[in-house]
Amino acid sequence: DAEITQSPRHKITETGRQVTLACHQTWNHNNMFWYRQDLGHGLRLIHYSYGVQDTNKGEVSDGYSVSRSNTEDLPLTLESAASSQTSVYFCASSESVGQGWSTGELFFGEGSRLTVL
Amino acid sequence: GNSVTQMEGPVTLSEEAFLTINCTYTATGYPSLFWYVQYPGEGLQLLLKATKADDKGSNKGFEATYRKETTSFHLEKGSVQVSDSAVYFCALLLSGGYQKVTFGTGTKLQVIP
Repeated sequence: DAEITQSPRHKITETGRQVTLACHQTWNHNNMFWYRQDLGHGLRLIHYSYGVQDTNKGEVSDGYSVSRSNTEDLPLTLESAASSQTSVYFCASSESVGQGWSTGELFFGEGSRLTVL
Repeated sequence: GNSVTQMEGPVTLSEEAFLTINCTYTATGYPSLFWYVQYPGEGLQLLLKATKADDKGSNKGFEATYRKETTSFHLEKGSVQVSDSAVYFCALLLSGGYQKVTFGTGTKLQVIP
C-alpha cells in the first residue's frame, strides 16, 4: 500500500544545531507540504512543493528550508534550531490535477515531535 | 485573507449523545470545504468533504452541509462513540491558481462511556 513516512518520529536537539526531518511518500504525488502543529494554532504551513525543483514558502517559513530533488522526498531543514521551533511537524502529500492544482485531499504522515532545548 | 474559525474545545460528551462542531469560513471565491480527523498519536486523515454550496459530505455517520449563505460547514453526528474521541479540523481549499489547504485550529472531542 502507498504511504507517507516521516523520520525521526521523536528528536531532541540543542539550540543552534541543524536538524533535518525526512519525509518520503510512495503515492507518486506531485504536491508535498510541511506543517507544524501547535496548541492554539492548529496546523500552519511551513513550505510546500508542487513538483521536482519547485519549492514555496508558507506562512511560517522563517528558519526553515526544503529541497525537492525527486518526487518521493521533501526533507525539512531547520538551519539553526530555536526553542520556538519545538513542535510537532507533519508532512503531507496530495494528488495533482494540473500544475499547482490539488483535489484538497491531503495524506499525512504520523508526525515528528521535535524538542529544542 | 482566507480563514477558518472553529468552536473552542474541548468538547466532552457521553456515549450516544448528539454532536455538533461549528465551523465558519472566510474566503474569496468559492472554496471546497473539508473535515479532517486526528486520532491520538496519528496524522490527520480526511473525514468528509463538500465542493459546492448545498452539498452534504458524509462518512462514518458524520455529516456536514456546505452553507454558502451562512459561510458555515458544521460537523454533526447523531450518536457518538468512545472511538470518535479525536481532534477535528475544519479546512478549506480555494479554487484557482496555486492551491493550499487552510486549516482551523481544531476541536478536541472526548466521548466518555
